[in-house]
Amino acid sequence: KAGVTQTPRYLIKTRGQQVTLSCSPISGHRSVSWYQQTPGQGLQFLFEYFSETQRNKGNFPGRFSGRQFSNSRSEMNVSTLELGDSALYLCASSLEGTEPEKLFFGSGTQLSVL
Amino acid sequence: AQKVTQAQTEISVVEKEDVTLDCVYETRDTTYYLFWYKQPPSGELVFLIRRNSFDEQNEISGRYSWNFQKSTSSFNFTITASQVVDSAVYFCALRMIYNQGGKLIFGQGTELSVKP
Repeated sequence: KAGVTQTPRYLIKTRGQQVTLSCSPISGHRSVSWYQQTPGQGLQFLFEYFSETQRNKGNFPGRFSGRQFSNSRSEMNVSTLELGDSALYLCASSLEGTEPEKLFFGSGTQLSVL
Repeated sequence: AQKVTQAQTEISVVEKEDVTLDCVYETRDTTYYLFWYKQPPSGELVFLIRRNSFDEQNEISGRYSWNFQKSTSSFNFTITASQVVDSAVYFCALRMIYNQGGKLIFGQGTELSVKP
């Protein structure tokens, strides 16, 4: 069974640009969560989608948004990039009904904002 | 507010030593889950264990063991006879039972370096 796939693996953008990151969950998983990881702030929850609906949201500005498609694949978008958005963005999926708390993580997208 | 504290930023040990990673959490809720995840250099977090607040039994899995003490709000992780492959960043995390799905509150992580 394939794991959580995140694309691209690395991304370099400049301030003011926008970026879209993609996450394909494990087959059958309908919950997808996004986390931002930085050396200073650590791992912070961005948002979670379940069955195409945002179920939880962290404390991030509106520049950070996401969506989930009917096949459970998810994208997150960051508009008007700032230097502080440089981070590793991790996506995780989980299977509802059995062990919903067990998150399976992808290897992340390393975003550098110059 | 909920919070997870991993006071040890970095730990360095020599192979075969035992090592304990500390985790202290804060929550006013009585029902919650606690987790440990491992992050190797490849980046993805790997699930190690989940504990719910009703279950204070310690758990052992091979060289890994976990000590959950509700009285001190701690959930410590011990690796016995450490190996070089244990080198990674380890995260402790907390999730409220009323939060469905993937909203975890992570500690800052402890970077473990096991030298041969």
